[in-house]
Amino acid sequence: EVQLVQSGAEVKKPGESLKISCKESGYSFTTSWIAWVRQLPGKGLEWMGIIYPADSETRYSPSFQGQVTISADKSINTAYLQWNSLKASDTAMYYCATWGFGELGYFDPWGQGTLVTVSS
Amino acid sequence: EIVLTQSPGTLSLSPGERATLSCRASQSVSNNYLAWYQQRPGQAPRLLIYSASSRATGISDRFSGTGSGTDFTLTINRLEPEDFAVYYCQQYGTSRRLTFGGGTKVEIK
Repeated sequence: EVQLVQSGAEVKKPGESLKISCKESGYSFTTSWIAWVRQLPGKGLEWMGIIYPADSETRYSPSFQGQVTISADKSINTAYLQWNSLKASDTAMYYCATWGFGELGYFDPWGQGTLVTVSS
Repeated sequence: EIVLTQSPGTLSLSPGERATLSCRASQSVSNNYLAWYQQRPGQAPRLLIYSASSRATGISDRFSGTGSGTDFTLTINRLEPEDFAVYYCQQYGTSRRLTFGGGTKVEIK
């Protein structure tokens, strides 16, 4: 059974950097894609981007291109989501999920989520 | 980008009733690659339905998905207390721009 375990909640100040993680277990990390999804407080789900850990091919939603960096370390089955300079508007819950192309393009399973709070 | 519009925004029903949720796409969803998710308060979303009508592993047969092209429906029969949650649709017919609907909240009447 595939499981995704995300790093814990973070409280940061505007302008600070941050890298959150998503560790996969129970399956071959290098044969599936990992996606990141944002959920603003009280709002819906937004797809941010995907990464293929086997070769680090990455694709971003146009809405998030240039705003975040998605990376992965296949040696430890972990994907990352990174900000260089956080803004208050980045305050949200961030989920990772397993994803695949074509008929497997749904998100399943999901990590438990990482709450990021950006406040001065 | 394919825009998904879910309706109604909120559905007020009693346990035991049937819920009918709609997801309409701004253009045809390729291969009917549409999924439905359930999100309970304080929890991560959970996959219910994929490819418009296939139930995910472990999902009760009270949940069913129908539809094709631009119009899709999630039906929940005999609502149970744990079914009161927010439901999202998601299209993956266009892998370059995956999109979600805005969600439908099913609340206890």
